[in-house]
Amino acid sequence: QGQLVQSGAEVKRPGSSVKVSCKAPGGTFTKYTFSWVRQAPGQGLEWMGRIIPIISTTNYAQKFQGRVTITADESTSTAYMELSSLKSDDTAMYYCARGYSSSSGSGDWGQGTLVTVAS
Amino acid sequence: DIQMTQSPSSLPASVGDRVTITCRTSQSISDFLNWYQKKVGKAPKLLIYGASTLQSGVPSRFSGSGSGTDYTLTISGLQPEDFATYYCQQTYSIPWTFGQGTKVEI
Repeated sequence: QGQLVQSGAEVKRPGSSVKVSCKAPGGTFTKYTFSWVRQAPGQGLEWMGRIIPIISTTNYAQKFQGRVTITADESTSTAYMELSSLKSDDTAMYYCARGYSSSSGSGDWGQGTLVTVAS
Repeated sequence: DIQMTQSPSSLPASVGDRVTITCRTSQSISDFLNWYQKKVGKAPKLLIYGASTLQSGVPSRFSGSGSGTDYTLTISGLQPEDFATYYCQQTYSIPWTFGQGTKVEI
C-alpha cells in the first residue's frame, strides 16, 4: 500500500485554493487511470474525479464541477488535484488512487493529504 | 448518478464469524463493483474488483458475489485485523460512487 506519494498537509483560508500532488513510480504512468477520493471527518469516501493521461480525458463529480481540476504530468509521473473556492466543509483527507481501468478497481493508493480549511 | 445502498451500516461481530455485507445499486452495473477496506489513519485497500475477483495479496477468506444490482462481500472466519469499515464502489458509469460504508466492530 502507498506506492503513490502525496504532498504534505495544507492549511488554507476559506475562498483560497489548494493543489495536491501524487507522484507515481516512473515508467508506466500512462497505463493507468488516476482518481481522487476524499473523506471528511466522520464521513464516508467520496469520489471527486479522475484522469486518464493516455487519452487526456478528465471526468468530475457534478458536486465539484467548476471547482476541481485534475491534471497529470507524464514527464514527472505526477498527478495533481486542485480545488478552488475552499469552504470549511472541504476540510478532509484527500487520497489519490491508481487503477488500470474502470473494471480493475483502484489497487494503489497514496498515503493521503490532510487539507484543513479554517479562518 | 448511480445510487449505492450498503447494508448494514454497523455490524457487530466476533473473531471467527462469517459476515456478509450487501450493496444494492439503483441500476444494473454489469459487475463493475469493487470492495474496499478502510482502517482509521490508513488509505483504503482494494479487496475485490469486478464483483468477484480477489485482488492480489488479499486473503482468501474475503469473497465477492452478485450480479445486476445486488452484490455481496463475505468474510469467512473473521480475523482481528478485519475489524474495519468496508465500502462498495461502482465504476460502471461516471461519477463513480461509493456506498455509505459498513463498520465491522466487536
